[in-house]
Amino acid sequence: AQSVTQLGSHVSVSEGALVLLRCNYSSSVPPYLFWYVQYPNQGLQLLLKYTSAATLVKGINGFEAEFKKSETSFHLTKPSAHMSDAAEYFCAVSSNTGNQFYFGTGTSLTVIP
Amino acid sequence: DSGVTQTPKHLITATGQRVTLRCSPRSGDLSVYWYQQSLDQGLQFLIQYYNGEERAKGNILERFSAQQFPDLHSELNLSSLELGDSALYFCASSLDRESYGYTFGSGTRLTVV
Repeated sequence: AQSVTQLGSHVSVSEGALVLLRCNYSSSVPPYLFWYVQYPNQGLQLLLKYTSAATLVKGINGFEAEFKKSETSFHLTKPSAHMSDAAEYFCAVSSNTGNQFYFGTGTSLTVIP
Repeated sequence: DSGVTQTPKHLITATGQRVTLRCSPRSGDLSVYWYQQSLDQGLQFLIQYYNGEERAKGNILERFSAQQFPDLHSELNLSSLELGDSALYFCASSLDRESYGYTFGSGTRLTVV
């Protein structure tokens, strides 16, 4: 079975500061891991995905995430927050043989000017 | 525009009624997934269809049903609606396996009054 835990339902950062959104996963098989972003009144947009290639994954809008098997983590980072980054972020996991995603409960990112 | 089209965008209906939500997947995608997003339950997987056949079932109520047609569009039918069914319903599509990452539509906001 797979699951993800997102630590912190709300995160606030100042504009220009580091963004760190935490995600820990649980999986009995090698996982595929994803980060999605949801802007207000919109659907979810894929930011990046890890599918057992490079452990450091670069995504859109300057975001990246590092797969750490020893820590069962897949934290999302961005060196410098922009006002337009304010949104809800979801971590998700799936197995490489299954056909379901398991989403975390989401982290709402607020960027303070 | 993600390429996944959902209609209608908004729907207001009374308790006990029946509604149909429609989804057209991104061109070339064979799988369609339905999700329910509510404040208290988060993002919940409902059901997946692949090339016209049901492939996976999640937390879908018996009052809900779905199908995928030969042209690959899908419909989610919600009947005997209750106040608690008020939510955002998302459709997502993928080529096949989830390892490619879902592409989400912008959702249908259902309000049951």
